[in-house]
Amino acid sequence: KNEVEQSPQNLTAQEGEFITINCSYSVGISALHWLQQHPGGGIVSLFMLSSGKKKHGRLIATINIQEKHSSLHITASHPRDSAVYICAVPFPNTGNQFYFGTGTSLTVIP
Amino acid sequence: DSGVTQTPKHLITATGQRVTLRCSPRSGDLSVYWYQQSLDQGLQFLIHYYNGEERAKGNILERFSAQQFPDLHSELNLSSLELGDSALYFCASSVGGIEGYGYTFGSGTRLTVV
Repeated sequence: KNEVEQSPQNLTAQEGEFITINCSYSVGISALHWLQQHPGGGIVSLFMLSSGKKKHGRLIATINIQEKHSSLHITASHPRDSAVYICAVPFPNTGNQFYFGTGTSLTVIP
Repeated sequence: DSGVTQTPKHLITATGQRVTLRCSPRSGDLSVYWYQQSLDQGLQFLIHYYNGEERAKGNILERFSAQQFPDLHSELNLSSLELGDSALYFCASSVGGIEGYGYTFGSGTRLTVV
């Protein structure tokens, strides 16, 4: 049983396309993280959000706590966005221990 | 540079051996978390230390142990290594205590057991 489900698993897009990655989770949470893992392996925390929407540059993350669903959008995608995007939710009633989605591997073609 | 430093970046060792992975948290962060990322399991939480004390254990094998020192750096010790221990090991740090706040990952240590 996966507490966090992501879709799609793999995504190939042309440069400039609008991209959406989805995350559904089964546990009650107060916040959710979106992480980016580059081909070299390093992980960067993109967003932590507990409600509504956050925007950083071309990245937008939304969350609906009632529906237990979050989306990560990339506008005007670029080859440098090629990475694995991982959704993470904290264990209930804990601090910073997380369930992780299996990730969405994004390739943006020039 | 995220501010979380992990060394070494790459490590190749033989089965049965013991290795130590090191993590220096971001300045001011009191919590250190260790994660294992393998091809078949994805990212798995191993253990959490806060200000020198163990706070929580996840899917950490008995062959693995960790500690956090007074200067807040942490070491993950992996012993009696098996081929299946080959993975990326990440540490992350945070101010601690507040869920999800200021969470920063290191760049990872890639361990290959041959």
